[in-house]
Amino acid sequence: QSVLTQPPSASGTPGQGVTISCSGSSSNIGINTVNWYQQLPGTAPKLLIFGDNQRPSGVPDRFSGSKSGTSASLAISGLQSEDEADYYCAAWDDSLNGWVFGGGTKLTVL
Amino acid sequence: QVQLQESGPGLVKPSETLSLTCTVSGFSISYDYFWGWIRQPPGKGLEWITIINHNGDTFYNPSLRSRVTISVDTSKKQFSLKLSPVTAADTAVYYCARMVRGANKKFDYWGQGTLVTVSS
Repeated sequence: QSVLTQPPSASGTPGQGVTISCSGSSSNIGINTVNWYQQLPGTAPKLLIFGDNQRPSGVPDRFSGSKSGTSASLAISGLQSEDEADYYCAAWDDSLNGWVFGGGTKLTVL
Repeated sequence: QVQLQESGPGLVKPSETLSLTCTVSGFSISYDYFWGWIRQPPGKGLEWITIINHNGDTFYNPSLRSRVTISVDTSKKQFSLKLSPVTAADTAVYYCARMVRGANKKFDYWGQGTLVTVSS
């Protein structure tokens, strides 16, 4: 049971947009920034979004993050086949004094 | 550029100690960052284990705290993880990563990961 809650799966067709949600609490998302990681099959996670809505250099602007209260979202526009991956949200938890992750969302591009 | 590489045994017997080392290159381990371990059981999600900085300040996942030790050797540009005793539930890919501290905390660089299987 993950501290942050994500839907286990999401899907879309090429060119479409999709949104993945991440629900937390007042001790994590409510007071700390949210990061999103993309994990392609058989590879290490890659930082996709940090600070709720900032993209590291090299990440396409098709990927965007947002946050409201104790929930965050990752939006992907103009879906491409190479976006098929697992996506994880993460945040520091002040009560646990450590990192918490979402259970991950498997994105399928139909 | 920053690179991290995990190393250690791929097979550990139940009740014994899992020991992994992460070697950092392209960046000084003595800078004001944290260095950490995250694991992923086969087919499952990510689980944070622990972080340490060059001063030896540490944070642990409360659910693993009693079994985990993290240490850093700045002269060797390495930090290490020990988990003991292990069970089959500790079978996972173990990643090491660099953590940026501050308001926008994040794990920005990751190693490729190493699979550790716990089995007799």
